[in-house]
Amino acid sequence: DAKTTQPTSMDCAEGRAANLPCNHSTISGNEYVYWYRQIHSQGPQYIIHGLKNNETNEMASLIITEDRKSSTLILPHATLRDTAVYYCIVRVVGGSQGNLIFGKGTKLSVKP
Amino acid sequence: KAGVTQTPRYLIKTRGQQVTLSCSPISGHRSVSWYQQTPGQGLQFLFEYFSETQRNKGNFPGRFSGRQFSNSRSEMNVSTLELGDSALYLCASSSTPLTSGSYNEQFFGPGTRLTVL
Repeated sequence: DAKTTQPTSMDCAEGRAANLPCNHSTISGNEYVYWYRQIHSQGPQYIIHGLKNNETNEMASLIITEDRKSSTLILPHATLRDTAVYYCIVRVVGGSQGNLIFGKGTKLSVKP
Repeated sequence: KAGVTQTPRYLIKTRGQQVTLSCSPISGHRSVSWYQQTPGQGLQFLFEYFSETQRNKGNFPGRFSGRQFSNSRSEMNVSTLELGDSALYLCASSSTPLTSGSYNEQFFGPGTRLTVL
């Protein structure tokens, strides 16, 4: 699976949009981009995933660049409960392994 | 629908002992994966079980083993504990194997925090 690069930490004001970037310059055509988050002392939680089109669900939006070398997770109105470590993962669906390979992630701190 | 449950939530053992951790997946899910999380190495994949068979295995020594029962509940065993085994052990369930051709979201449990003294 391709490696990802994320900033170590980011701050965001409560109520503002949080934009979390991820670089995956070596991504292959059959690799999806997944985002998970881990709130302190809990297991990771799925947020969203995509292949090449932008995606939106009730939690967030995922913007993938046309060349697919980077993506941005957008939390439109961040709340204090969104404070967590956010992991960007690229993974082949149906690959020989299939497990998620987590990097270091971005620690997002939402401040009042 | 109840989420993934793990027992116990906290455990303290001493070096050389062995430990068994339990994971009950979401009802209807037949795939259970185990991960180890430490401050230094982050989240690392241990193994996956589907329909009582180990499907995938990460790069961990043979002291780490697991099994899955017919009701999809899974146990993970670590023998001859070392200080470095202190970690949060997470299990995740999904409806299809990780290597299936379709997307399969993994649902994680709260984890078992193991401390080895």
